[in-house]
Amino acid sequence: EPEVTQTPSHQVTQMGQEVILRCVPISNHLYFYWYRQILGQKVEFLVSFYNNEISEKSEIFDDQFSVERPDGSNFTLKIRSTKLEDSAMYFCASTYPAESSYNSPLHFGNGTRLTVT
Amino acid sequence: GNSVTQMEGPVTLSEEAFLTINCTYTATGYPSLFWYVQYPGEGLQLLLKATKADDKGSNKGFEATYRKETTSFHLEKGSVQVSDSAVYFCALKGSTLGRLYFGRGTQLTVWP
Repeated sequence: EPEVTQTPSHQVTQMGQEVILRCVPISNHLYFYWYRQILGQKVEFLVSFYNNEISEKSEIFDDQFSVERPDGSNFTLKIRSTKLEDSAMYFCASTYPAESSYNSPLHFGNGTRLTVT
Repeated sequence: GNSVTQMEGPVTLSEEAFLTINCTYTATGYPSLFWYVQYPGEGLQLLLKATKADDKGSNKGFEATYRKETTSFHLEKGSVQVSDSAVYFCALKGSTLGRLYFGRGTQLTVWP
């Protein structure tokens, strides 16, 4: 079964550095998402992306964050200047807009654990 | 707005015990409801879903029924196994194509 893949599985960075988290969504999917999960806490929505633009973003997704689909397969999340509180597991997800689009479940990758020191 | 309230954990059970994890929701429109599972060190996997009132989702012995009158989607399993130990997330998706709203997750530990 096709799956969403994320790299790297673990990224350690120093505060203030830029990081790029990479995702390869399922190939025929058209909607892409980033979520994060701070250790032991809720899974939080960051951003959704469709047709090469952001369709929705949360209050967490401030100017330090950006997303891009640089080619036909990758979907990236960039954090420009990381803070300690950005340490979390970041999940990429994708879905395909079926006829009843709101029924479509999101398919998640295994996540990238980001540690900011 | 949309939100999900999920039973606080952790839940600890012996093998073959009956499991219930409560989930209630608040939503505008007619949401679809999901249970996701996160095994240790892994990502979120879809466990089951229900898309309209009175639908029952089921998978791997787990079941949940979409109850519009009580705005609930409780997860049940008649006989849990050690391999069911994981974190379980209830989630909803609104009537427009968009994001999932997650509950806080419930940690389940099953002892042999």
